[in-house]
Amino acid sequence: DGGITQSPKYLFRKEGQNVTLSCEQNLNHDAMYWYRQDPGQGLRLIYYSQIVNDFQKGDIAEGYSVSREKKESFPLTVTSAQKNPTAFYLCASSIDGRPGSPQETQYFGPGTRLLVL
Amino acid sequence: AQSVTQPDIHITVSEGASLELRCNYSYGATPYLFWYVQSPGQGLQLLLKYFSGDTLVQGIKGFEAEFKRSQSSFNLRKPSVHWSDAAEYFCAVGGGYQKVTFGIGTKLQVIP
Repeated sequence: DGGITQSPKYLFRKEGQNVTLSCEQNLNHDAMYWYRQDPGQGLRLIYYSQIVNDFQKGDIAEGYSVSREKKESFPLTVTSAQKNPTAFYLCASSIDGRPGSPQETQYFGPGTRLLVL
Repeated sequence: AQSVTQPDIHITVSEGASLELRCNYSYGATPYLFWYVQSPGQGLQLLLKYFSGDTLVQGIKGFEAEFKRSQSSFNLRKPSVHWSDAAEYFCAVGGGYQKVTFGIGTKLQVIP
């Protein structure tokens, strides 16, 4: 049963702490994405990766970091530099990440809600 | 730069009534257009997509959307809404050198 999994469902962060959100896919997709969702603001792109060992900043990358060491995994670290991390984080993947390609259709995981203690 | 506008933040319809959610886009060439649905606390599920060809696209859950180039619109429709359709709906546009751009969403409330 193919799909995208995100863990944990809920995550709590203390001041000054880095936390890592997991995203795994078994769809054999080349491209993966991280979005942040805040009420009334839609989805904002944090980082994306079109291929293993390569990733690009999105619109709101400050305070976040990623890695793409394996095709199926794209973890997101929320660093202490992100001063307002409380949000719903969504991971997505697509067959490939070429802009303007029909293969860029994105499929989403169930999300992780990050809260600050 | 491409952009998407969903003019209605919140819509309320009665169960069994018809539904139309509006989406307008800005893009210089023929866009790729998507509609997604999100239930509370869940990820986004793809309802339908338009790349080319027939401008009336059928999707899952009984939804359809029509691409109108002259109006730069891609409105989502359903002839009879069910209570389970209550969710947030996102329109998105792609096709250019930018990544896919999402609208801010329309929340649908269904009343009995």
